[in-house]
Amino acid sequence: DAKTTQPPSMDCAEGRAANLPCNHSTISGNEYVYWYRQIHSQGPQYIIHGLKNNETNEMASLIITEDRKSSTLILPHATLRDTAVYYCIVRVVGVGNQFYFGTGTSLTVIP
Amino acid sequence: DAGVIQSPRHEVTEMGQEVTLRCKPISGHNSLFWYRQTMMRGLELLIYFNNNVPIDDSGMPEDRFSAKMPNASFSTLKIQPSEPRDSAVYFCASSPTGGRGLFFGSGTQLSVL
Repeated sequence: DAKTTQPPSMDCAEGRAANLPCNHSTISGNEYVYWYRQIHSQGPQYIIHGLKNNETNEMASLIITEDRKSSTLILPHATLRDTAVYYCIVRVVGVGNQFYFGTGTSLTVIP
Repeated sequence: DAGVIQSPRHEVTEMGQEVTLRCKPISGHNSLFWYRQTMMRGLELLIYFNNNVPIDDSGMPEDRFSAKMPNASFSTLKIQPSEPRDSAVYFCASSPTGGRGLFFGSGTQLSVL
């Protein structure tokens, strides 16, 4: 079962940073935080993941609080193509540990 | 790499018919997942294979659903007999060893009339 809480929807102006929050207050020490997004009618797409340090890649940045009970996905310069549902997932890495998707945040980037 | 390949993209069938969905994972990935997505229930994990062996099938809704992975490059999800409530998008995903995450196919849109 999903162990994360996300706002159901958010808007962001094109060109501005989109900051998507996620609460995972019951996260355990060996659970990673993963972010995926799903653009309408496509399969979910991996964005980024991390354990406790902040992470950055070509798509986004992941900021994890020191107590690891929450995180924020940052899209630095949102474009219309970033309109999607964003899922935050916590998972222990390893065989037998599945990815459970919650309801996610529907992000709309506004021109 | 072509990514995870699913077929067919769309399937329309009548209640009571057998439906078989197919998936080819990314070469070298040793884990394979089947998910179902509906508006009401979101993305649900149905079954998970590791090295072709089913690890967790607790998400399979009932005995009408079965999944196989006869080799590392092919998996099927079968529904027999199909019912209208099985209408959904079915996704297959594969994952390599370690924490890289899931790579999803484009899904099969199933409509059972």
